[in-house]
Amino acid sequence: SAVISQKPSRDICQRGTSLTIQCQVDSQVTMMFWYRQQPGQSLTLIATANQGSEATYESGFVIDKFPISRPNLTFSTLTVSNMSPEDSSIYLCSTKTRGSYNEQFFGPGTRLTVL
Amino acid sequence: AQSVTQLGSHVSVSEGALVLLRCNYSSSVPPYLFWYVQYPNQGLQLLLKYTTGATLVKGINGFEAEFKKSETSFHLTKPSAHMSDAAEYFCAVSGATNAGKSTFGDGTTLTVKP
Repeated sequence: SAVISQKPSRDICQRGTSLTIQCQVDSQVTMMFWYRQQPGQSLTLIATANQGSEATYESGFVIDKFPISRPNLTFSTLTVSNMSPEDSSIYLCSTKTRGSYNEQFFGPGTRLTVL
Repeated sequence: AQSVTQLGSHVSVSEGALVLLRCNYSSSVPPYLFWYVQYPNQGLQLLLKYTTGATLVKGINGFEAEFKKSETSFHLTKPSAHMSDAAEYFCAVSGATNAGKSTFGDGTTLTVKP
């Protein structure tokens, strides 16, 4: 299993600014995932971050808007850049551990409100 | 390619009644199937999973699900609902490879009435 923490837990930001969300895992993992969950909706995968390589972005998400860092096997950051109210959402960090049959573990989420 | 359909975005039951949350999937490869629960202001946590073997799988908090390949279904049940079961439930599917990414359904909100 894996225990994931995220910072901040919530934030209120002004339009046009950027916010960096941190994700810390209590064990070394290869793959880390970043999701967006808009109110009352399902999870949308933003990107997959593997240590030592560039993040892979899903359709509709671009690196300029959502730059991701993965400096080591336990940590990742997601930046939401040049924010607009449409970016208001919950951002979830997730991972899966070796041999877990693709079971995913999730952080508690970062609740972002953009004014 | 893979997809998940959860039938019913909202389900309401009385405390003590049967809980049935429906999930149908499609997958071009043998699937791994999951149910996750999300309580308010929390991340998702795994309820149960099907990988291989026994098609009836038991999870935490008295939940179970049955993999029916012929029906491409993985419905979640609990014999007797408890107030603490009120939450959002997500069904997910991934391909049976280590690199498989999961696809999540739209979620079902379970309300439990006293």
